[in-house]
Formats: sequence, C-alpha cells, structure tokens
Amino acid sequence: DTGVSQDPRHKITKRGQNVTFRCDPISEHNRLYWYRQTLGQGPEFLTYFQNEAQLEKSRLLSDRFSAERPKGSFSTLEIQRTEQGDSAMYLCASSLIATGNTIYFGEGSWLTVV
Amino acid sequence: AQSVTQLGSHVSVSEGALVLLRCNYSSSVPPYLFWYVQYPNQGLQLLLKYTTGATLVKGINGFEAEFKKSETSFHLTKPSAHMSDAAEYFCAVHNAGNMLTFGGGTRLMVKP
Repeated sequence: DTGVSQDPRHKITKRGQNVTFRCDPISEHNRLYWYRQTLGQGPEFLTYFQNEAQLEKSRLLSDRFSAERPKGSFSTLEIQRTEQGDSAMYLCASSLIATGNTIYFGEGSWLTVV
Repeated sequence: AQSVTQLGSHVSVSEGALVLLRCNYSSSVPPYLFWYVQYPNQGLQLLLKYTTGATLVKGINGFEAEFKKSETSFHLTKPSAHMSDAAEYFCAVHNAGNMLTFGGGTRLMVKP
C-alpha cells in the first residue's frame, strides 16, 4: 500500500500530557497537510508544508500545537499539555504540486484526552 | 474566501433509489470541487473531482456530480443506492491557498 500512512491510529492520553502523531505521505508528494475533525463535523485545516517549509497555519493551531517536516518527507504533529477539547481525529494528507488540486488523505489518528 | 454548504446533514434512501446529496459553494475564483466519502472510523476517500472542462464528472462506485456555475452547485448523485453506500459524504472546494475547505458533511443512510 503506497497511500498516506498515519501512526498511531488511536491514542488515549491524560489531560496535560504531550502526544505526537506521525504522517508518512505518498512517496514523492511534496505537499503535506494536517486537518482536524471532530465528531459530526467536516475536517478543518490546521497547517500545510511544501517540502520542508511550513507555508500556512490556521488560527486553530494554538501555541500548544507544533508541526514539523524536517526533511520534506514524513511529518510530525505534537500537541503539548493536552486538553479535553483536543479530542478529535487528526488527518494527514498529501499532494503533488504538479497535480496539486488532488489531495489524498490517510486513515487518521484518533486522539482521546481523558 | 471560499465556503461550502451541504444541505441536509442526514439523508435516508431506500436501496435501489436515487441518491442526491446537495452541495453549494462560494468562491471568488474558478473553483476546483471535490467529493469525498468517509466510512466509520476511517479517513477520507476521494470520490470524484471537477477542475476544468466537462461539467459532468464521473467518480468511483457509480457516483457522478455536475458542476453548475450559474447555481454555484456541485450536487452528487447515484442512480441506484446500495447498502454499501451508507457513509458520510463531504463536499470540498480547493482554494487559492492550496488547501481544501470542507462542508459539514451529509450522512447517507440506506434502508433495505
């Protein structure tokens, strides 16, 4: 399978703990996106990278959130001092600039903060 | 700024009946439009997309959608619903900032 891969698929953490999610995009895709989806809602944009450069961040991405894509391949999304409101599915997606309007999503990482 | 409105958060049809899921968008530039499907506890799967050219686009699983600029709509249809079509469907517009803006989703239920 050469799709977008996310790890872990499920994470339960206590409030105040830090969590990190990893995303491996489709090979050679130079754009990588993070979205958040809460129950009953559509995905909301968080941030995106073009190669290793983080080009845009949503206002949803508070100071407790940080995303990196150090070598322009995989990416990590870290949430520090988690709050119950952070409980959601975190979706990673990727696209190729040459066909930049088609964005492919991973299976998502579910976060539950207790 | 772009936005997407999906009319009807829940749609119920009988197996074999026509499926119609509505999507209206607003965009200050010619839009690229997408429909994604999401099965329980899974990510989003691309159903179909409109970029340029033919306004009637065909996707996977027998779905199709028609871009109507005058109505700013991109409704999703399927002639005959199957039980396996039960899922959440999202309409999205690709904006100049290189990301997708999604509608709130429509949950499709298929009755036997």
